[in-house]
Amino acid sequence: QKEVEQDPGPLSVPEGAIVSLNCTYSNSAFQYFMWYRQYSRKGPELLMYTYSSGNKEDGRFTAQVDKSSKYISLFIRDSQPSDSATYLCAMRAGGTSYGKLTFGQGTILTVHP
Amino acid sequence: DAGVIQSPRHEVTEMGQEVTLRCKPISGHDYLFWYRQTMMRGLELLIYFNNNVPIDDSGMPEDRFSAKMPNASFSTLKIQPSEPRDSAVYFCASSLAGGLANTQYFGPGTRLTVL
Repeated sequence: QKEVEQDPGPLSVPEGAIVSLNCTYSNSAFQYFMWYRQYSRKGPELLMYTYSSGNKEDGRFTAQVDKSSKYISLFIRDSQPSDSATYLCAMRAGGTSYGKLTFGQGTILTVHP
Repeated sequence: DAGVIQSPRHEVTEMGQEVTLRCKPISGHDYLFWYRQTMMRGLELLIYFNNNVPIDDSGMPEDRFSAKMPNASFSTLKIQPSEPRDSAVYFCASSLAGGLANTQYFGPGTRLTVL
């Protein structure tokens, strides 16, 4: 079993829809949770970052972490064609594993006009 | 800032040949990571360095893979001999300790095809 599970999709939605992307994980040591966005033929770039449980909002994006369920989500409101990309969740433990991130498989999202 | 620089961007080689991928991290960053991405396995961490010292190489698939970081501004990932199953996109990333979320900045990747 992988430490981080993410449905690869693909997910196709119309412009303006609310998108929900999710990951589950098994390692209870994970404390830092991130979402990366990767456009086609580009490297991933950090989109959202959350420490421990709770919600974080940034414009049209909301990240949620539920550590009790080992479940994280990314919501995109009023989705745009420019949001079409692969979204990867990533997480890491604290302490000495400072640098090491574990990524989900990535979900391919297409927003069509 | 130029960001993380990787070369070559594309590499096509034949099975058994040696392949060397190169990376220049963002100036001042003290962590450097090598990843491999495939459709089947997603993004996998191969090895990472802190202050030029390898910290965790548990993701290196086998002895055919080796990585070095001779100085703070240059790293190589070498595959010798290469095999078709090594075909993937290889990313280099760098980060700064204490930076926001220890954000890793990725390069554009090297697309490797082994025939």
